[in-house]
Amino acid sequence: DAKTTQPPSMDCAEGRAANLPCNHSTISGNEYVYWYRQIHSQGPQYIIHGLKNNETNEMASLIITEDRKSSTLILPHATLRDTAVYYCIVRRANDYKLSFGAGTTVTVRA
Amino acid sequence: NAGVTQTPKFQVLKTGQSMTLQCAQDMNHEYMSWYRQDPGMGLRLIHYSVGAGITDQGEVPNGYNVSRSTTEDFPLRLLSAAPSQTSVYFCASRQLAGGDNEQFFGPGTRLTVL
Repeated sequence: DAKTTQPPSMDCAEGRAANLPCNHSTISGNEYVYWYRQIHSQGPQYIIHGLKNNETNEMASLIITEDRKSSTLILPHATLRDTAVYYCIVRRANDYKLSFGAGTTVTVRA
Repeated sequence: NAGVTQTPKFQVLKTGQSMTLQCAQDMNHEYMSWYRQDPGMGLRLIHYSVGAGITDQGEVPNGYNVSRSTTEDFPLRLLSAAPSQTSVYFCASRQLAGGDNEQFFGPGTRLTVL
């Protein structure tokens, strides 16, 4: 699986958009980009995933660059409950393993 | 649906004791897996299964056994607990058909080995 690079931490103001970057410069054509988050002491929670196109769901938007070497997760209106560790993961569709790195610790401040 | 359930939530063992961490899912998922998470670190894959009767090793399988006799259950056994196995254990499952499906995680079991 391709490695990912994320900033270790970032702060965000409540009510503002949070933009979380992820670099995956060695991604191959059949690898998806997944985002999960882990709120303190809980099991990881799926947020969104994509292959080439930008994706949006009720939780977030995922913007993937045209060359697919990086992506940005956007939380449109961050709330205090969005404080968590966010993991960017790349995985082939038929691969069984999710490889979790250190992620980005996002703190949403009132 | 209850999703992925794990028992117990907390467990304290003495070195050398054995125990089984239980994991069950009610989504008819073929794939199930166990991860461990040490303080301040990401999750590491211990064992996984792609269906009843089929299991395989992940990144850190030593000291752990698994079996998959039904689609619903995937227990993790510690045969002789060691302090290095103090960790939080997460079970996960996902549907295999289609390939790019999301993985669902349980709430975790916090294990301390003294």
